Amino acid sequence: AQTVTQSQPEMSVQEAETVTLSCTYDTSESDYYLFWYKQPPSRQMILVIRQEAYKQQNATENRFSVNFQKAAKSFSLKISDSQLGDAAMYFCAYRSPNTGNQFYFGTGTSLTVIP
Amino acid sequence: DAGVTQSPTHLIKTRGQHVTLRCSPISGHKSVSWYQQVLGQGPQFIFQYYEKEERGRGNFPDRFSARQFPNYSSELNVNALLLGDSALYLCASSPRGGTGNTEAFFGQGTRLTVV
Repeated sequence: AQTVTQSQPEMSVQEAETVTLSCTYDTSESDYYLFWYKQPPSRQMILVIRQEAYKQQNATENRFSVNFQKAAKSFSLKISDSQLGDAAMYFCAYRSPNTGNQFYFGTGTSLTVIP
Repeated sequence: DAGVTQSPTHLIKTRGQHVTLRCSPISGHKSVSWYQQVLGQGPQFIFQYYEKEERGRGNFPDRFSARQFPNYSSELNVNALLLGDSALYLCASSPRGGTGNTEAFFGQGTRLTVV
């Protein structure tokens, strides 16, 4: 089974600064999808960004970008110009192409944004 | 448009009891998945249903069961509740069976406390 590891239980960043959240995964598949989800105190998981493994180009969504290193099985999230609303739990998730909506999640990183 | 809705939002049950959690997917979405999120952990996959058929099952005991109705809403049932079943139960929907890079849209969850 695939495993997802987030080695940073907590991170903090000054408002307007940049922070990087780490994620590694283990898989024997060559094709798969990776996601970062945000979970604020409201509990609802919100998609931040996604990456297809067959794409070499790193995904970007406004202030959010990823550093996808397929050989190293690494998928980090960079948040630029951090805002107070970015404070939340961030989960890295893996999905195989053939298992429907079965996501494997990491244990999460709690991000604090300091004003 | 309404997002994924779950009911109830909070629930307290006694050990040994039975519980039913409900989920209504986004209109037009045919796939529903269930996740258990224990405090301090990432969500763990329980079930996926697509077009009213079970398409995947996580490593959970037979006390856990689910079904999907003709209108694509879903129920998660847990029998003989244990203290360890206390968790946030998340429902996620997607328009298809989770092919491609389709994201899953999550509800706000049901917080189940077993006493």
